[in-house]
Amino acid sequence: DAKTTQPPSMDCAEGRAANLPCNHSTISGNEYVYWYRQIHSQGPQYIIHGLKNNETNEMASLIITEDRKSSTLILPHATLRDTAVYYCIVRTYNFNKFYFGSGTKLNVKP
Amino acid sequence: EAGVTQFPSHSVIEKGQTVTLRCDPISGHDNLYWYRRVMGKEIKFLLHFVKESKQDESGMPNNRFLAERTGGTYSTLKVQPAELEDSGVYFCASSRTKRRRVQETQYFGPGTRLLVL
Repeated sequence: DAKTTQPPSMDCAEGRAANLPCNHSTISGNEYVYWYRQIHSQGPQYIIHGLKNNETNEMASLIITEDRKSSTLILPHATLRDTAVYYCIVRTYNFNKFYFGSGTKLNVKP
Repeated sequence: EAGVTQFPSHSVIEKGQTVTLRCDPISGHDNLYWYRRVMGKEIKFLLHFVKESKQDESGMPNNRFLAERTGGTYSTLKVQPAELEDSGVYFCASSRTKRRRVQETQYFGPGTRLLVL
């Protein structure tokens, strides 16, 4: 079962930052937060993951609250190609399967 | 480095027929996973291979589904006989195993779109 809660949809203007929230209030100490996205009908694409500290890579930044009960994925300059369903997933470090949940449909508008 | 590949990209079959889906993981990835999304539902885990062994097959819906990974390389998922409710998109993913069995990030293939008529 998905252990995360995400808004079903969000809009963002092209060129602006997209901030996608995720609640994971029951997260345990050894569980990571992963973000994937699915563009149109393609396979899920890995974006970023983190445990406690904030993380940044070439695609996005991940901000995890100090109590780890929520996180925010930030796309700094959203483009039309970032329109996708974004999934926040909680996973233990040695636990194999992902529970995807419903995700957030991000609509980037011109 | 080539990504996860899946074949075929689309398959349309009639109810009662057999279909075999193939997944080629990223080279060097011991872990191989199958997921699927049926119409209107969330992406669901089916099973997990470590090399050629089934580590977790708790998500397999019934005994009409048979997954194999002979030699620990590519994997096949056979549906026999196919039913209407099997229609959906079947995804494969792979990952490496780090020290102390820590799983690395799963990378997904493009999926196989199966339509059972």
